[in-house]
Amino acid sequence: GENVEQHPSTLSVQEGDSAVIKCTYSDSASNYFPWYKQELGKGPQLIIDIRSNVGEKKDQRIAVTLNKTAKHFSLHITETQPEDSAVYFCAATKGSGGSNYKLTFGKGTLLTVNP
Amino acid sequence: GAVVSQHPSWVICKSGTSVKIECRSLDFQATTMFWYRQFPKQSLMLMATSNEGSKATYEQGVEKDKFLINHASLTLSTLTVTSAHPEDSSFYICSARDLRQYTGELFFGEGSRLTVL
Repeated sequence: GENVEQHPSTLSVQEGDSAVIKCTYSDSASNYFPWYKQELGKGPQLIIDIRSNVGEKKDQRIAVTLNKTAKHFSLHITETQPEDSAVYFCAATKGSGGSNYKLTFGKGTLLTVNP
Repeated sequence: GAVVSQHPSWVICKSGTSVKIECRSLDFQATTMFWYRQFPKQSLMLMATSNEGSKATYEQGVEKDKFLINHASLTLSTLTVTSAHPEDSSFYICSARDLRQYTGELFFGEGSRLTVL
């Protein structure tokens, strides 16, 4: 089955700096890669996603890049703010577009943005 | 985006009792819902896939007789933890996909924290 590795497990940055979280996946058939932000005691919230036919996607301060050859994808947050502090999870699935599919999650990255 | 609601958000029960958690898609229909379990400071682990009108599909290592899943309608799936024990204490999260959208986005509920005394 799919295996997703995520690094780093913790990341501390100063407000205004950039943060980068990296993930690798094992199944070359995976075609959909979402990123979730989870605040304490809450469910995950999708912040950005990317499909295998795209190499990069950007939404304001958040961007995701995908390298299919190397099987890795990264989340980039620029101009970080204290409210960006949360746990971030990457995920991968090969069932995108079908009615059933399973997400395999990375282990998460605790991002702390210091004021 | 679509909204998935879970109830209760937290529950405390005595060991040996059963607890039911509801997951509802509020503004869309979901033939499939997913149940995850998350222990403190850990990732989400898929427990089972809930299919409307048919039996749930459980992941390896998840006891189907202990975690009963019912998906009786297109907007409601329930997870019942039977004969709960302290080791079942966890954060249970459901998710669903709006089939009207081809985006593949999964919408997650806010989670239900179970504490078994």
